[in-house]
Amino acid sequence: AQSVTQLGSHVSVSEGALVLLRCNYSSSVPPYLFWYVQYPNQGLQLLLKYTTGATLVKGINGFEAEFKKSETSFHLTKPSAHMSDAAEYFCAVTVPNQAGTALIFGKGTTLSVSS
Amino acid sequence: GAVVSQHPSRVICKSGTSVKIECRSLDFQATTMFWYRQFPKQSLMLMATSNEGSKATYEQGVEKDKFLINHASLTLSTLTVTSAHPEDSSFYICSARDPFEETQYFGPGTRLLVL
Repeated sequence: AQSVTQLGSHVSVSEGALVLLRCNYSSSVPPYLFWYVQYPNQGLQLLLKYTTGATLVKGINGFEAEFKKSETSFHLTKPSAHMSDAAEYFCAVTVPNQAGTALIFGKGTTLSVSS
Repeated sequence: GAVVSQHPSRVICKSGTSVKIECRSLDFQATTMFWYRQFPKQSLMLMATSNEGSKATYEQGVEKDKFLINHASLTLSTLTVTSAHPEDSSFYICSARDPFEETQYFGPGTRLLVL
């Protein structure tokens, strides 16, 4: 069975500060990992994903995440927060190569950015 | 990234009526689509997995006779909420899995209000 834990339901940063959103996963097989962002009243937009290969993955809007197997983590970072980054962020895990397997989501982290 | 559309984006209906929500993958074919429900300030709850040409697989606690899912083609899945009641009011989001990228892309969501 797989699961995702997002530490911190709410993270607040100042504009220009480092953004760090934490995600730990549990999986019995090597997982595929994703970060999605959701703006109010909208669907989810894919920020980045890890499948295989390089453990540091870069996504859209300056975000990146590093897959650390030893720590079972996939934390999301951005060097400098922007006001437009304020949104809900979801970490998700799935099993590779199984078409019918849905994503397992964390509970989400609300990012607030102050000026 | 790939685009998934949902229609309608918002719908209001009277209690006891049925509402159909469409989910389309616009620039790729999806053998598997997923339907989620999201309550305010919560994560996504998987309702069902829809495979093209076969019956949907429903999650525990989701009434299959109430939430009818049809996946008639590789680019279209529909969710019909039958005999809707006020407690069915929610935000419904679909996703379509691109088999070549092993990534789920999400629609913008449909907000349902049952009066």
